Amino acid sequence: GAGVSQSPSNKVTEKGKDVELRCDPISGHTALYWYRQSLGQGLEFLIYFQGNSAPDKSGLPSDRFSAERTGGSVSTLTIQRTQQEDSAVYLCASSSLPGQGRDTEAFFGQGTRLTVV
Amino acid sequence: AQTVTQSQPEMSVQEAETVTLSCTYDTSESDYYLFWYKQPPSRQMILVIRQEAYKQQNATENRFSVNFQKAAKSFSLKISDSQLGDAAMYFCAYRSTPWNQGGKLIFGQGTELSVKP
Repeated sequence: GAGVSQSPSNKVTEKGKDVELRCDPISGHTALYWYRQSLGQGLEFLIYFQGNSAPDKSGLPSDRFSAERTGGSVSTLTIQRTQQEDSAVYLCASSSLPGQGRDTEAFFGQGTRLTVV
Repeated sequence: AQTVTQSQPEMSVQEAETVTLSCTYDTSESDYYLFWYKQPPSRQMILVIRQEAYKQQNATENRFSVNFQKAAKSFSLKISDSQLGDAAMYFCAYRSTPWNQGGKLIFGQGTELSVKP
């Protein structure tokens, strides 16, 4: 597609339920990032996929959070047994590798606003 | 691990004036990339300007320019002739090269810029 697509754009869920957030990166981008942004705050790194390498999961806040990337393209971030503190905007970004003759910048989706009630 | 610090949570500038946003980072790498992103209320992240660490010349994009001081690990953003549309949250970001952590992208805490008419 033309840009990074995230779905749903908004999600309201009850505490204790599981949620899945989807990210469709720009075609051909090998790198994919997930960030969490609480209201008025910065971007908290969650997880990073780069090609076929093992993902960098160092930012996942707890074992309730997991993510996968199928076929090197679409990624799903899953939050199990959601808590109210999980309420935030979840942003996905993709980029190509520096040195491949393409831009090094990360392109972002519009994010998914998750509200846990 | 790399860190990015933005010490100014909020800044204000008069329309048509110039403002400088500060960013410092910590790294042991010699080659990397630095970015400034803008996030308006729509929450869409927009790239403002980028700098490759191996380039000594400061990057410029129209009214936006950077002061890159590699030895001091400083990367400030100057906005000239500020416009109302410049009002947004600004994030400084650091990206490793592929041969170091595979190109992980790390953000600062952000600076909220307001522009007064």
